[in-house]
Amino acid sequence: EAQVTQNPRYLITVTGKKLTVTCSQNMNHEYMSWYRQDPGLGLRQIYYSMNVEVTDKGDVPEGYKVSRKEKRNFPLILESPSPNQTSLYFCASSFQVPQTGESGNTIYFGEGSWLTVV
Amino acid sequence: DAKTTQPNSMESNEEEPVHLPCNHSTISGTDYIHWYRQLPSQGPEYVIHGLTSNVNNRMASLAIAEDRKSSTLILHRATLRDAAVYYCILRGSQGNLIFGKGTKLSVKP
Repeated sequence: EAQVTQNPRYLITVTGKKLTVTCSQNMNHEYMSWYRQDPGLGLRQIYYSMNVEVTDKGDVPEGYKVSRKEKRNFPLILESPSPNQTSLYFCASSFQVPQTGESGNTIYFGEGSWLTVV
Repeated sequence: DAKTTQPNSMESNEEEPVHLPCNHSTISGTDYIHWYRQLPSQGPEYVIHGLTSNVNNRMASLAIAEDRKSSTLILHRATLRDAAVYYCILRGSQGNLIFGKGTKLSVKP
């Protein structure tokens, strides 16, 4: 089954304590991305990756780091979390080059990770 | 990256058709038009996508203007379960995925 898996799904942490949210996909997708969602602001992109070892900043990268050492994984790292990073986080993946068929160009999303920083 | 413009919100009655508009005047020739929707507390889910021709699937239809500067997502008979935020997104073959704020669709019984 095609899946994007995020962990943890729910986390309460304290300011300054480093944490990593993992994201893994099983579809051999080149493209992966992280978004955060806050009330009234829609989905805002944090970082994205076009392929292994290629990452770029999105609209709101401050306070976050990512790595793409292998194709299937794209972890989001909060080195020193602050309360303004309390949010709902989504990981997404897709093929970079459109494939044939309806599902070929589909963007798959994880179920979301609720992060609270106190 | 090309941008899209959508109304903030729309209302519909149950069992009636809904037309959700999207403007994308800066679209390039190779950008696909995607529509996704997000139900409360869930991740976005695929609805439909197209390039130039109108598209139909079991969920919806996508009508693309001849100049491709706008498109319309058509839900033929809205149900209460269709209440969601609908996102119109452009994406090229080597492109990033950028979401706008989407259109919040409310469906009244």
